[in-house]
Amino acid sequence: EVQLLESGGGLVQPGGSLRLSCAASGFTFSSYAMSWVRQAPGKGLEWVSSISGSGGNTYYTDSVKGRFTISRDNSKSTLYLQMNSLRAEDTAVYHCASPGAVLPVPDAKHWGQGTLVTVSS
Amino acid sequence: DIQMTQSPSSLSASVGDRVTITCRASQGISNYLAWFQQKPGKAPKSLIYAASSLQSGVPSKFSGSGSGTDFTLTISSLQPEDFATYYCQQYNTYPITFGQGTRLEIK
Repeated sequence: EVQLLESGGGLVQPGGSLRLSCAASGFTFSSYAMSWVRQAPGKGLEWVSSISGSGGNTYYTDSVKGRFTISRDNSKSTLYLQMNSLRAEDTAVYHCASPGAVLPVPDAKHWGQGTLVTVSS
Repeated sequence: DIQMTQSPSSLSASVGDRVTITCRASQGISNYLAWFQQKPGKAPKSLIYAASSLQSGVPSKFSGSGSGTDFTLTISSLQPEDFATYYCQQYNTYPITFGQGTRLEIK
């Protein structure tokens, strides 16, 4: 059974940093691209970033480019999202997601329960 | 970027009804289209991938169709547990994009 468990969320001041983690189990982690998707309070789903299975290719939504960095440690089956220069508009529940197959662009078959990031002074 | 437009944004229906939600892509995405169900306070649940393939364990009352730019999600014989918000997502190209969601409410 695939399990994804996010951690690292919390309250941070504008301009601050946080690092989110997603511990994965139940599948061959290194074989699959992984993604972060967020949901601001009362809003819809927004894709944030994806990373290839090897970690060699990364992709970001425009609003986080230059501020967020996605990475992975395949030896630990763990996905990360380093978030710097945080803004109020980054406040959201952040989910990690894994696909159902190896694809050029991953779908999101499995989801973690999410971790809440609140950016406020 | 590919824009995904869902309609309607909200929908009222009764238990036992059959409903259809549409999703239109601003450019062709082949069949790289997924549908998700989300209930308040919960993570999204994948229902459909590749436009029409049912995820394992998802009841056959859910069905998807379409290719290119126009897609539909149909839910037959609505039950109380089906009232939720539904999202489409394209994964044809980056950036991955979602529709704005369709809130399905009990009439």
